[in-house]
Amino acid sequence: KAGVTQTPRYLIKTRGQQVTLSCSPISGHRSVSWYQQTPGQGLQFLFEYFSETQRNKGNFPGRFSGRQFSNSRSEMNVSTLELGDSALYLCASSLVGGANVLTFGAGSRLTVL
Amino acid sequence: DAKTTQPNSMESNEEEPVHLPCNHSTISGTDYIHWYRQLPSQGPEYVIHGLTSNVNNRMASLAIAEDRKSSTLILHRATLRDAAVYYCILRDGMYSGGGADGLTFGKGTHLIIQP
Repeated sequence: KAGVTQTPRYLIKTRGQQVTLSCSPISGHRSVSWYQQTPGQGLQFLFEYFSETQRNKGNFPGRFSGRQFSNSRSEMNVSTLELGDSALYLCASSLVGGANVLTFGAGSRLTVL
Repeated sequence: DAKTTQPNSMESNEEEPVHLPCNHSTISGTDYIHWYRQLPSQGPEYVIHGLTSNVNNRMASLAIAEDRKSSTLILHRATLRDAAVYYCILRDGMYSGGGADGLTFGKGTHLIIQP
């Protein structure tokens, strides 16, 4: 079956702009979580969506937001981009329940100039 | 904050076994222990997970302490392709709607394999 698909894979923006990233989960997976990864840092949790509702949110400013659609596809948006937002953004999907594994996408690499 | 602690880095030789430790002293009875790894320039991938008993699959083995407060990921014969960052996380088996704790990865262990 198809894996987790993230688009776009690479993008370049300038400070002050906004960006929208998309994540299509594995069919049947209703939980989608998002992460930011910067050089030297681990995976920093952004937020998680389940059945179109944000269930959990990490310690990020309000410029970072997301949503989930009825087909479980998810988008995240970053407004008023800053240089420090340059990172690899990863999403993961899973079935509900901690016994179920997370499947990650390849990520979207954002560069802010 | 992550509920697990791992060494920042470890080094091993090719074709030798590697034991990657993870401490999770506050684990609850319903938490599953998951391991993921991230190869350079890729998204993380699942390695193995378990609840109480030791687990084996084609990639690795997971040894869980009797009190479940620690676990060890075992790569039986490391290759250069196993050089990656390895993450250990806990995911609550009883929680059906998510749970940020089970999604907080931390910095993991950077495994270096020497040829």
